[in-house]
Amino acid sequence: GDSVTQMEGPVTLSEEAFLTINCTYTATGYPSLFWYVQYPGEGLQLLLKATKADDKGSNKGFEATYRKETTSFHLEKGSVQVSDSAVYFCALSDQGAGSYQLTFGKGTKLSVIP
Amino acid sequence: ETGVTQTPRHLVMGMTNKKSLKCEQHLGHNAMYWYKQSAKKPLELMFVYNFKEQTENNSVPSRFSPECPNSSHLFLHLHTLQPEDSALYLCASSQDDGSYEQYFGPGTRLTVT
Repeated sequence: GDSVTQMEGPVTLSEEAFLTINCTYTATGYPSLFWYVQYPGEGLQLLLKATKADDKGSNKGFEATYRKETTSFHLEKGSVQVSDSAVYFCALSDQGAGSYQLTFGKGTKLSVIP
Repeated sequence: ETGVTQTPRHLVMGMTNKKSLKCEQHLGHNAMYWYKQSAKKPLELMFVYNFKEQTENNSVPSRFSPECPNSSHLFLHLHTLQPEDSALYLCASSQDDGSYEQYFGPGTRLTVT
């Protein structure tokens, strides 16, 4: 079945540091890929998405590129802020599977210190 | 109200109690979902409703009973729960347009004593 693997956290960075959170996936069809973010005490929010190979999703300074050859969708940001502290989830939807399900990774907790 | 709302935000219940969680979406979507979020585990999809019809039930125990009276409201009825059912229960909605973007509510933090 489909699965998403993301790097174990927690990740602690200083403000203005470069962020990478690795995400790889396995899927039977042609998935769309997503990054969701969950701030403390809140539900998940869609951060960015990519629907086909080589697409780059971007939002709020975050970027991720859909790499079909390496089955990866790594999240990056050039300069993190304290307000980026949250849990980040990589997810996929497999359009070939014919269902409405998203498959999520376990999440990576990011803490940014001043 | 905008987006997806959930009530209550926090709930403590005993194993013999019956309670219900409520979710309402104000986005005009036609699909709604219940997820369970436990510490150190991936989000677990519990139920999916599309156009008020249940389309997925991922082997959820019968002590969880969903209800979807219309495309804007979703309930999760709880009875005789176990302590391991303590978790954050998230509701989400999406439009059936192939985009698969789901919009989440803030969740209900459930503690079973």
